[in-house]
Amino acid sequence: QQPVQSPQAVILREGEDAVINCSSSKALYSVHWYRQKHGEAPVFLMILLKGGEQKGHDKISASFNEKKQQSSLYLTASQLSYSGTYFCGTDTGNQFYFGTGTSLTVIP
Amino acid sequence: AAGVIQSPRHLIKEKRETATLKCYPIPRHDTVYWYQQGPGQDPQFLISFYEKMQSDKGSIPDRFSAQQFSDYHSELNMSSLELGDSALYFCASSSTVRRHGYTFGSGTRLTVV
Repeated sequence: QQPVQSPQAVILREGEDAVINCSSSKALYSVHWYRQKHGEAPVFLMILLKGGEQKGHDKISASFNEKKQQSSLYLTASQLSYSGTYFCGTDTGNQFYFGTGTSLTVIP
Repeated sequence: AAGVIQSPRHLIKEKRETATLKCYPIPRHDTVYWYQQGPGQDPQFLISFYEKMQSDKGSIPDRFSAQQFSDYHSELNMSSLELGDSALYFCASSSTVRRHGYTFGSGTRLTVV
């Protein structure tokens, strides 16, 4: 039931773009995205509700394909501060699960 | 803005001892969640409360119990501690059950020796 994220890890140079994917085997009510720095609490980035919406703020955006039960997080023109582990969270209405995580490292 | 407060930040216990972790959610948040995160692992859901009633249960061992009090703070009680219980324990709160994302506390790092 845990959603699967890909890739598991990615290394970017500053200014490059990245896409992180999240795939669930269950029908979803919503998808969340969080970023966690080492030793710190996950920080909420955004939530996407069913209806196939797309959201974004600044250079981080996400899409949610309800039919495919997939979500993607798009990071454009990456900054050093984007480094961390990104988790999707999937809400089936009854259960909430964090994804397997994607470690993202931005280097100068 | 007020955040989710967890205490203590760090806790060291010996095997077979008992530990109590506390969580104070954001005011007016009606749901509290507990997660356990081992080194290099994703957060594992333990238990949640909605309006002071247990609403959902995840992979919480029988040795653990939790409750939410009238002031909405929550406590996670862990007994007969094992070395494998060493982890970061996060509490999160949200309003209108999971519709607006979770706000996490800074976590309690439990080390069992």
